[in-house]
Amino acid sequence: NAGVTQTPKFRILKIGQSMTLQCTQDMNHNYMYWYRQDPGMGLKLIYYSVGAGITDKGEVPNGYNVSRSTTEDFPLRLELAAPSQTSVYFCASKERQGGEDTQYFGPGTRLTVL
Amino acid sequence: GQNIDQPTEMTATEGAIVQINCTYQTSGFNGLFWYQQHAGEAPTFLSYNVLDGLEEKGRFSSFLSRSKGYSYLLLKELQMKDSASYLCAVRAGEYGNKLVFGAGTILRVKS
Repeated sequence: NAGVTQTPKFRILKIGQSMTLQCTQDMNHNYMYWYRQDPGMGLKLIYYSVGAGITDKGEVPNGYNVSRSTTEDFPLRLELAAPSQTSVYFCASKERQGGEDTQYFGPGTRLTVL
Repeated sequence: GQNIDQPTEMTATEGAIVQINCTYQTSGFNGLFWYQQHAGEAPTFLSYNVLDGLEEKGRFSSFLSRSKGYSYLLLKELQMKDSASYLCAVRAGEYGNKLVFGAGTILRVKS
């Protein structure tokens, strides 16, 4: 199993550009998450999904959109990039709810908006 | 509201024992996790507590007191490779679907 994969690894955007961060997991997990991590800070939840076709906002959803058309994929869309969106973005998935339902994280996408 | 506090940085010596504390105030509580994150890498799971008491996993142990909103991660026989950020996270939310993370504690292990 590849686990959780994310592309691209690095990206530089200009203000106002748009892009999609890709996230795929091959573990057949129902739950998927997008976080951002600013320098010296913990992870902030952007959006999450409890299954295909179902998404919900997290703590910091403004400026982002998501979709979940399949169990495997959970792309994150930035429509009008702003410098405040410079961050490291992590995608995560977990199998189920409850118990030691640890989240598995992808390697991250490092995004800079200039 | 959700609030999780951890010390920003700690330094310890190789071979020693270090305790990293975490206090939390969250709307709902459904378990507490500790993750390790090396610089430039993704977080990886270390431990999980949902009941009060100590959970031991090799060199790492984690303690929880729900009444005090308090947890700690204990690392024994420190190794240089333990230099990393340690993130405390609480599973909260109406359905327990979400993790709320603290800012993390950067641990530096010196020889």
